[in-house]
Amino acid sequence: AQSVTQLGSHVSVSEGALVLLRCNYSSSVPPYLFWYVQYPNQGLQLLLKYTTGATLVKGINGFEAEFKKSETSFHLTKPSAHMSDAAEYFCAVSEASGTYKYIFGTGTRLKVLA
Amino acid sequence: NAGVTQTPKFQVLKTGQSMTLQCAQDMNHEYMSWYRQDPGMGLRLIHYSVGAGITDQGEVPNGYNVSRSTTEDFPLRLLSAAPSQTSVYFCASSYSKFRGNSPLHFGNGTRLTVT
Repeated sequence: AQSVTQLGSHVSVSEGALVLLRCNYSSSVPPYLFWYVQYPNQGLQLLLKYTTGATLVKGINGFEAEFKKSETSFHLTKPSAHMSDAAEYFCAVSEASGTYKYIFGTGTRLKVLA
Repeated sequence: NAGVTQTPKFQVLKTGQSMTLQCAQDMNHEYMSWYRQDPGMGLRLIHYSVGAGITDQGEVPNGYNVSRSTTEDFPLRLLSAAPSQTSVYFCASSYSKFRGNSPLHFGNGTRLTVT
């Protein structure tokens, strides 16, 4: 079975600084990878996804992620943090076993300091 | 479109009570699922369905039942609530069970407390 590991349950950055949220997956075949964001008291929203093709994926709100097969990683970055980026971020992988199931990491809560 | 709609938003139950969490989607999605979210544990899959009349267990199915009589609805039933079921529950749907690149669409969640 696949698994997803997010390093760092809490990350703090200063406003304007680089945001880097880490995600590693275990998979014997190339997976489909997703990043979701959850604002307080809301459901999860899709930030971006990797399926096939270009390994650098751009998402909403200035976020992007790079699929690195050799490192089994899919880290999320944003060049300059904004106060509105404070939220919880989840990395997920879809697992092919007949039909697809989605496996989530444990989440990283991002705090942006003024 | 309303997307994925969950009701109620909040619920308090006493141990042993039963209840049903409702989930409806208006996007004609094949795939529907229920997750629970607990601090430090991310989202864990409870049950999922790949079409009307077809359901299967996820990672943490014990204490929960589901059915899928229509494409639109996927209710989650707690037969005898326990304090360990205190959690936030999310319903999510996806376009196709065979397309792993289809992202999940989430409802806004139901916060359940069992005392």
